[in-house]
Amino acid sequence: DTGVSQDPRHKITKRGQNVTFRCDPISEHNRLYWYRQTLGQGPEFLTYFQNEAQLEKSRLLSDRFSAERPKGSFSTLEIQRTEQGDSAMYLCASRGGLDYGYTFGSGTRLTVV
Amino acid sequence: AQSVTQLDSHVSVSEGTPVLLRCNYSSSYSPSLFWYVQHPNKGLQLLLKYTSAATLVKGINGFEAEFKKSETSFHLTKPSAHMSDAAEYFCVVRGQNAGNMLTFGGGTRLMVKP
Repeated sequence: DTGVSQDPRHKITKRGQNVTFRCDPISEHNRLYWYRQTLGQGPEFLTYFQNEAQLEKSRLLSDRFSAERPKGSFSTLEIQRTEQGDSAMYLCASRGGLDYGYTFGSGTRLTVV
Repeated sequence: AQSVTQLDSHVSVSEGTPVLLRCNYSSSYSPSLFWYVQHPNKGLQLLLKYTSAATLVKGINGFEAEFKKSETSFHLTKPSAHMSDAAEYFCVVRGQNAGNMLTFGGGTRLMVKP
């Protein structure tokens, strides 16, 4: 499979717990993006990596959120002390350097109860 | 800063009739614009893209869009709707900063009646 993989597909957690999501991009893509999509809305940008460097972070990314891409391959997004407002679909996308094409994963749906 | 506005949150058509999904953009530069489709429980799929070449862009599954600078519009059309077209559609503008982040519109849910 040469697409973008995200794990898990669904996560239900209790408020206050920490959660971590993983994204495996297309192997030759050096750019990786995280987006958040709440119900009935379009995806909103969270953060961007070029190789292992995190180059952009949205104001949406509070200090409870942290993202890493340690070897420039897969990426993780961690949310600490989850709140009900964090319930959303978290989407990952990757892109090659000279290509306009962004490939999206199927997302991780987070429900905070 | 750039933005896109999708003028209809819901559009309902009958199978076999034309589809029109409207999008206006705001940008201080010549934009790159996209339409993505999202089926339930599926990832976002690129339908078509405009990158300052031909103003009429043809995409997959019979969709096309026309870039009109004078109207700041990038409407998506299809001559004949199919049941499988029922989905959420997003108009998207690409940023010109180093990361080229995408900015999405609010989405239009297309419903196709038999």
